[in-house]
Amino acid sequence: DTGVSQDPRHKITKRGQNVTFRCDPISEHNRLYWYRQTLGQGPEFLTYFQNEAQLEKSRLLSDRFSAERPKGSFSTLEIQRTEQGDSAMYLCASSLTFLADTYELYFGPGTRLTVT
Amino acid sequence: AQTVTQSQPEMSVQEAETVTLSCTYDTSENNYYLFWYKQPPSRQMILVIRQEAYKQQNATENRFSVNFQKAAKSFSLKISDSQLGDTAMYFCASHTDKLIFGTGTRLQVFP
Repeated sequence: DTGVSQDPRHKITKRGQNVTFRCDPISEHNRLYWYRQTLGQGPEFLTYFQNEAQLEKSRLLSDRFSAERPKGSFSTLEIQRTEQGDSAMYLCASSLTFLADTYELYFGPGTRLTVT
Repeated sequence: AQTVTQSQPEMSVQEAETVTLSCTYDTSENNYYLFWYKQPPSRQMILVIRQEAYKQQNATENRFSVNFQKAAKSFSLKISDSQLGDTAMYFCASHTDKLIFGTGTRLQVFP
C-alpha cells in the first residue's frame, strides 16, 4: 500500500505566477478530495471528485483555481495568478465509497505553497 | 449547511492522565459519520476514531473513545493513559457527502 502521494512537497512562487500540484490517490479509491489548510487552522474543503467527475466545488474557491481528474486516477490542482493569500498547505485525500461504506479519508503529506 | 465547532484551541495533559476534547456539530442529514483525526507536527493527517451516526454505542479504539450525544450534536474524544506521542493537533470532522473539519485542538502531553 503506497498511500496517497503529492508532488511537489514544497513550492515557492512569485505572486502572479501559475502553479500546478499533483495528487496520486490510493489505486482503488474512487473519490479524491482537495483541501487547503492554513497555519493553526482546520483543513478547508475545496473540491472533490468521484472517478473523473467533479461533484462539488467550494463557493470559497475563486475562478483562479481549477482541478481535474482526467482518467479517474491522479488529479491536478492549478492556481492561476497566485496571490499571497494563496499561501497554505494543499492537502489531497482519497476514499472508497462503496463496499465498506466507511467514508474514511486517507490523506497525503500535502504540498506547501509559499507565494512571495 | 454542515458545521463543526471545536471550542478548545489548546489543551494540555500530563503523561498517563486522561483528557477529553470537545466537539459539536450541526447537520440536517440523518445519515452521517463523525471522525477524529490527528495531525502530529509536520506529519500527515491520520484517522483516530470513527462513529456512525446510526449507532448508539460509542466507538472505542484502544486508549481512544468517544462520547456521542446525537440529540445534543456533541462528539467528544477521550484519550486515556496519555502518551507523549499523542501530542498533536486533533480535528473533529463530520461527513455527509464530504468531510468538514473543525478548527482543531492543539494537545500537548507533558512528561
